[in-house]
Amino acid sequence: SAVISQKPSRDICQRGTSLTIQCQVDSQVTMMFWYRQQPGQSLTLIATANQGSEATYESGFVIDKFPISRPNLTFSTLTVSNMSPEDSSIYLCSVGMIVADTQYFGPGTRLTVL
Amino acid sequence: DQQVKQNSPSLSVQEGRISILNCDYTNSMFDYFLWYKKYPAEGPTFLISISSIKDKNEDGRFTVFLNKSAKHLSLHIVPSQPGDSAVYFCAALSYNTDKLIFGTGTRLQVFP
Repeated sequence: SAVISQKPSRDICQRGTSLTIQCQVDSQVTMMFWYRQQPGQSLTLIATANQGSEATYESGFVIDKFPISRPNLTFSTLTVSNMSPEDSSIYLCSVGMIVADTQYFGPGTRLTVL
Repeated sequence: DQQVKQNSPSLSVQEGRISILNCDYTNSMFDYFLWYKKYPAEGPTFLISISSIKDKNEDGRFTVFLNKSAKHLSLHIVPSQPGDSAVYFCAALSYNTDKLIFGTGTRLQVFP
């Protein structure tokens, strides 16, 4: 298993501002993912954070809105840019453990945009 | 288009009885299925999984059944306990994409 921490755990932000969420893993992992869970919706994959190269974004998500950094194998950040109330959501960092064939999730960051 | 569906947003079960959570999928390329459990203010945690080559997998009180022809899977919890109260997510994985697709979750409440 992997222990994953996220900062901040929650935040309330003003429209038009940006927030950077940090994800720290206690071991080196190849694959890191960022998910979003909007109220009443499923967990939706935003992007795969690749170490040493640009993130791979899913349909409907773009780098200008959700820039991602992955400077090493234990850390990643997701920025939610130019926020609007529609961005209010729980953002979750996840790591994939290929051997175990499962993914482990961080505790999430609850974002509210006013 | 929702590829993984959990049509029951909530379920209430008495302690000691069986809880049955259902999940349907549309993509026949999915070949691995997982159930995650989520408590408030925590991330989802892995509960149990099943490969498409099996129709049943059991782990203690938790059993997952897969019906490939119906594209349906279910999670059985027997006996249900109050500590099982949580949101349960069904997820599907296609090995060629290595991405999990989640359902919307079912909130289970187990009452005494």
